[in-house]
Amino acid sequence: GENVEQHPSTLSVQEGDSAVIKCTYSDSASNYFPWYKQELGKGPQLIIDIRSNVGEKKDQRIAVTLNKTAKHFSLHITETQPEDSAVYFCAASSGSFKTIFGAGTRLFVKA
Amino acid sequence: EAQVTQNPRYLITVTGKKLTVTCSQNMNHEYMSWYRQDPGLGLRQIYYSMNVEVTDKGDVPEGYKVSRKEKRNFPLILESPSPNQTSLYFCASTYTTSGRVDEQFFGPGTRLTVL
Repeated sequence: GENVEQHPSTLSVQEGDSAVIKCTYSDSASNYFPWYKQELGKGPQLIIDIRSNVGEKKDQRIAVTLNKTAKHFSLHITETQPEDSAVYFCAASSGSFKTIFGAGTRLFVKA
Repeated sequence: EAQVTQNPRYLITVTGKKLTVTCSQNMNHEYMSWYRQDPGLGLRQIYYSMNVEVTDKGDVPEGYKVSRKEKRNFPLILESPSPNQTSLYFCASTYTTSGRVDEQFFGPGTRLTVL
């Protein structure tokens, strides 16, 4: 079946450094790729998303890139801050309305 | 305030005792979905609904039932819970634009323990 692989599972960076999380998807029909941030004790919240007709999208310190040929997409966080510490999930969905999530990346930003 | 609410937030029960987790959204979203979150496995979709009376299985539907009689509500039913259904459950909703899923809004989660 369809799946989304996410790496790394844990990432520790120094405050001010950049963090990169990568995901690979299997369903070539996937056309929507959101990234969610989950803080402790809360539900996931969308931080950025990208559709298949776009290669890159940026929102302040956060950017996402998509390579449809290779079926992978990445989240880039620059100038990390302690409040960026959380679990991040990538996901992929297609016109079937199913959404497949990656296993998550726990990001630690050390002050 | 636009939100997705779930009840209860915490539940400890015993094997075989039927339970229902309610989910309600006030954003007039067509699409609603249930996920379970387990360590190392991320979020796995249980069931989803594209609109009233329209539901479909996600990746892990075994042991669960859902219904969508009203647009705002999407309850998750465990007819005979088992310990392997111990998990953190999230309900989510969103608009569907031109047949596509958009940003999903998640509820606060329900932590279920089945003894």
